[in-house]
Amino acid sequence: NAGVTQTPKFQVLKTGQSMTLQCAQDMNHEYMSWYRQDPGMGLRLIHYSVGAGITDQGEVPNGYNVSRSTTEDFPLRLLSAAPSQTSVYFCASSSTTGGAQYFGPGTRLTVT
Amino acid sequence: AQRVTQPEKLLSVFKGAPVELKCNYSYSGSPELFWYVQYSRQRLQLLLRHISRESIKGFTADLNKGETSFHLKKPFAQEEDSAMYYCALSFQGAQKLVFGQGTRLTINP
Repeated sequence: NAGVTQTPKFQVLKTGQSMTLQCAQDMNHEYMSWYRQDPGMGLRLIHYSVGAGITDQGEVPNGYNVSRSTTEDFPLRLLSAAPSQTSVYFCASSSTTGGAQYFGPGTRLTVT
Repeated sequence: AQRVTQPEKLLSVFKGAPVELKCNYSYSGSPELFWYVQYSRQRLQLLLRHISRESIKGFTADLNKGETSFHLKKPFAQEEDSAMYYCALSFQGAQKLVFGQGTRLTINP
């Protein structure tokens, strides 16, 4: 199993550009989520999904969209990038029966 | 609101010394608490969950509901323990995690 994979690893955007961060998991997990990691602030939940077709907002959803058309994939879209979205983004998945969340390797995004 | 506080951003100890990383939480119900670790250039991974009451890599953590704490302890630190440690809470049976700010632990030789 590859676990949770994320692409790209690094990305530089200009203010106003859009892009999609990809996340996929091959563990048949129902729950998937996106976090951003900023120095001194830990990880903050952006959006999450409890299954295909179901998404909900986390703590910091503004400026981000998600969709969950399949169990495996959970892309995160930045519609109009802003410098405040410079961060490291982590995708995670877990079984809804509880237990550990499995994290992807992260995407380091810089918005200039 | 649910909150997790890790009061130490940085913690430095010598190899062989005891380590304690502090974690306090605020939640009125029955939380589930976790410690996650991120080694240099690696992804975040689960270290401990309070429900399992395991000892992983020599680390233990006890949930103290009276003090609303879940401190991580190890009696003898090793250099490979140097990493970023995050305390996290989930609640109401949900899978959402609320993370603390993290503590960067450095073990000096």
